Formats: sequence, C-alpha cells, structure tokens
Amino acid sequence: QKEVEQNSGPLSVPEGAIASLNCTYSDRVSQSFFWYRQYSGKSPELIMSIYSNGDKEDGRFTAQLNKASQYVSLLIRDSQPSDSATYLCAVRNYGGATNKLIFGTGTLLAVQP
Amino acid sequence: KAGVTQTPRYLIKTRGQQVTLSCSPISGHRSVSWYQQTPGQGLQFLFEYFSETQRNKGNFPGRFSGRQFSNSRSEMNVSTLELGDSALYLCASSLGGVGSNQPQHFGDGTRLSIL
Repeated sequence: QKEVEQNSGPLSVPEGAIASLNCTYSDRVSQSFFWYRQYSGKSPELIMSIYSNGDKEDGRFTAQLNKASQYVSLLIRDSQPSDSATYLCAVRNYGGATNKLIFGTGTLLAVQP
Repeated sequence: KAGVTQTPRYLIKTRGQQVTLSCSPISGHRSVSWYQQTPGQGLQFLFEYFSETQRNKGNFPGRFSGRQFSNSRSEMNVSTLELGDSALYLCASSLGGVGSNQPQHFGDGTRLSIL
C-alpha cells in the first residue's frame, strides 16, 4: 500500500463546476497535510495547508481533513481553465527519526471551457 | 521576499560523470529538502537538511549526496551518473525546527538530462 494515494485522473470538469480531489494516507500519526498545484513543466506551488479535522477555506479552495478515515480532500469551486494542472497531496509524518514530507503521485485536473 | 533559487536550471551530462546542483532557500528558512521528479515515479524524497545536518534520507543509492552550509544554502551531488538519473530535481525550503509543520516552498528545479 502506498503511503499517500491519489487517483491519477484525468479528472475532467466543465468550467464553473466544483472539482473534488481526494487523497488517502496510510500512517495514522500523520499530522500535517498540504495541497500543491503543479502546472506542466513547472514546480509545485503550495495552495493549502491543513492540520485539524474539518474544513479550511481560502478563496475558491476548500481543504477537508478527516483523520479518523485518513483522507484529505480539496474542493475547487467555480473551476476555471487556468485551474487545469496536476494537484499533489502531501503528508508530513512525525515519530522517531521520521519527519518526511511524502507526496502522492498527483491528480491531473482538466477544466473544460 | 525572494523565493527558492536553484541553479543551474538545465544541465546535460553523460553517463559516468558527476554533477552538483545548488539551492538557496528563502531567507530565514533553515530546512532544505531535495526531491527527484520523474513521470513514472512522481516526487521522490532524497534528503532533508537542517542546520547543516542531514535530518532525513530517502531510499536512494549512495551516489546521491548532499550538504548544507552555515547560510542554509544546500548542494546536492550525484556521482557516476546513470541514464535513469534523468529527472527534474527540486529543492524546497521551510522554516524547519523540531516537529515543524510548516509547509515547504519549491524552487523552479534543475532539469538534468543524461546522454
């Protein structure tokens, strides 16, 4: 089982719709969760960070965390063609000598005009 | 505030050579992490440095090494290059600190091609 799993997609949504991206993780001691956006040929860009159960909103983006079910999701409201990119979920684990940021393989989002 | 700066942006090498990549973190950031990104494997963690000490290491062979200087700048070295080392190498910095949960911010990366 991969430590951080994401559906590779592509996830295709029409312009103006809500895009829902999901991520599951295997280590129950994970404490920090991040969403990055990566355009083709570019480096990852931080969108959201979330540390507590529940929802966190920032503009059109909402991150949702459920530690009991070990999943974190990202909702993008009013999706725009410029949102088309790969979205990477990252989980930071603590414990012992481990303090690594582990990335999923990313979900490719395509917003259709 | 300047972001994470990686040099060079592009590099072409041949098998058997060695290469050194450089990373200057965001001012005030003391933690620097290195990742390898390939289309098939995604982002793979190489190592993390904090206050000139390697704090974590990924599952890469000993040909991959790194170091961090007192000004938090970091270098990554790959010796005896193989074709499979062709990848985008990304550096990310964060404030760091024990148990830090601060996010990492990435540089633009160095694209390494091995011929």
